[in-house]
Amino acid sequence: SQKIEQNSEALNIQEGKTATLTCNYTNYSPAYLQWYRQDPGRGPVFLLLIRENEKEKRKERLKVTFDTTLKQSLFHITASQPADSATYLCALDMSDNNAGNMLTFGGGTRLMVKP
Amino acid sequence: DAGVTQSPTHLIKTRGQHVTLRCSPISGHKSVSWYQQVLGQGPQFIFQYYEKEERGRGNFPDRFSARQFPNYSSELNVNALLLGDSALYLCASSLGLSSSYNEQFFGPGTRLTVL
Repeated sequence: SQKIEQNSEALNIQEGKTATLTCNYTNYSPAYLQWYRQDPGRGPVFLLLIRENEKEKRKERLKVTFDTTLKQSLFHITASQPADSATYLCALDMSDNNAGNMLTFGGGTRLMVKP
Repeated sequence: DAGVTQSPTHLIKTRGQHVTLRCSPISGHKSVSWYQQVLGQGPQFIFQYYEKEERGRGNFPDRFSARQFPNYSSELNVNALLLGDSALYLCASSLGLSSSYNEQFFGPGTRLTVL
């Protein structure tokens, strides 16, 4: 069955460093992958989408890579700040023919940025 | 502009009871999706409705049902509640059907506790 894996252990880093989060998937060939941020008690907020033909995508201090051979996406936050502390979720569309209407999320990785 | 709204915010039920959760999408959005998020896990896809028709269904039992109204608001119904149904229920709206071209906006969720 399809599976999306994110490091369930919290990632603790010092302010100003680069945080790198990993998303691995198996038994699937998604046309795109999404990253979301979720704060405690709130719904996820969309951050970035990267398509299978894009190796890298950037948005301000965020960078996402997508390696369809390794079946892996990396999510980087450069110059991290305490306000970046949250849980980060990756998501794939697992609908038939990538119709885009069945997002499947990983378990999320909690990031803690210490001042 | 109002975001996605959900009601109620919190709900406590006992096993065997029935529950109805409500979602109002962002104005102009025609797609509503429902997710279940158990504590410590990522959201799990339950349903997607687009233009009042079911367009996607996740791996949930028939006790779960939903519908979308002409104003695009939606209800999620869960019958014969089990302890394992305790979770945060999230609603997400988007302009169109596919999450590959239409950003999903999540509501704050309804926290359901089944005793």
